[in-house]
Amino acid sequence: RKEVEQDPGPFNVPEGATVAFNCTYSNSASQSFFWYRQDCRKEPKLLMSVYSSGNEDGRFTAQLNRASQYISLLIRDSKLSDSATYLCVVYRTGNQFYFGTGTSLTVIP
Amino acid sequence: DAGITQSPRHKVTETGTPVTLRCHQTENHRYMYWYRQDPGHGLRLIHYSYGVKDTDKGEVSDGYSVSRSKTEDFLLTLESATSSQTSVYFCAISEDRGYGYTFGSGTRLTVV
Repeated sequence: RKEVEQDPGPFNVPEGATVAFNCTYSNSASQSFFWYRQDCRKEPKLLMSVYSSGNEDGRFTAQLNRASQYISLLIRDSKLSDSATYLCVVYRTGNQFYFGTGTSLTVIP
Repeated sequence: DAGITQSPRHKVTETGTPVTLRCHQTENHRYMYWYRQDPGHGLRLIHYSYGVKDTDKGEVSDGYSVSRSKTEDFLLTLESATSSQTSVYFCAISEDRGYGYTFGSGTRLTVV
C-alpha cells in the first residue's frame, strides 16, 4: 500500500467554484502534513502546512483528520492562476517525507 | 527563490557515462535532499544529507552516490547512467527535520 494516496483527477472547474481535494496516508505514526503546489515543468512549492486544528490561508483551507488518516485542501473562489498540480506530503520520524503523486486542477474561464 | 540553485538545468548523456548534478544553497540549512520525479511515481527520495559528510540512502538509491563536503553544496553522481535514470531531479533543503522543503528548479536528465 502506498504511503500517501491522492485522486489524480483531473479536476476541471469553472472560475469562482469551490473545489476540494483529499489525500489519505497509511501510517498512523505520521507527524507532519503539507500541501505543495507544482506548476507544469516547475518545482514544487510549499502551499501550506496542515495542523490538527485546521488552518486557513486566504481562499485555501487545510484540514487534518488523524482518526481517519486523511488530509483535505479546500480552494474557494477558484482563480485561473490556481491551475496546477497539488501534492500531498506526509512526514514521520526518520527524516522521511512521503509525497503523493498529485491531483491536477484546471480552472476554466 | 535564489536560495537554492541546481546545475545543469538540462542534460543529455549517453548510457554508461558518469554524470554529476550539483545543488548549491545559500540558506545555511542543515538538511539537503535529492529526489527524482517520474510520471505515476511522484517524488521519490534518492539520498539526503543531515550535515557535512553525513549522508544516508533514500528509497531509490541504487545507482546513485552523493557527497557533501561543504554545507552549501550537495552533489549527486550517477556512476554509470542508464536509460531508467532518465528523469527530473530535484534538490531540496530544509532547516530541520520535519520542516517544509524549498526545492530547486530541477534538472531534466535524459539518458540515451
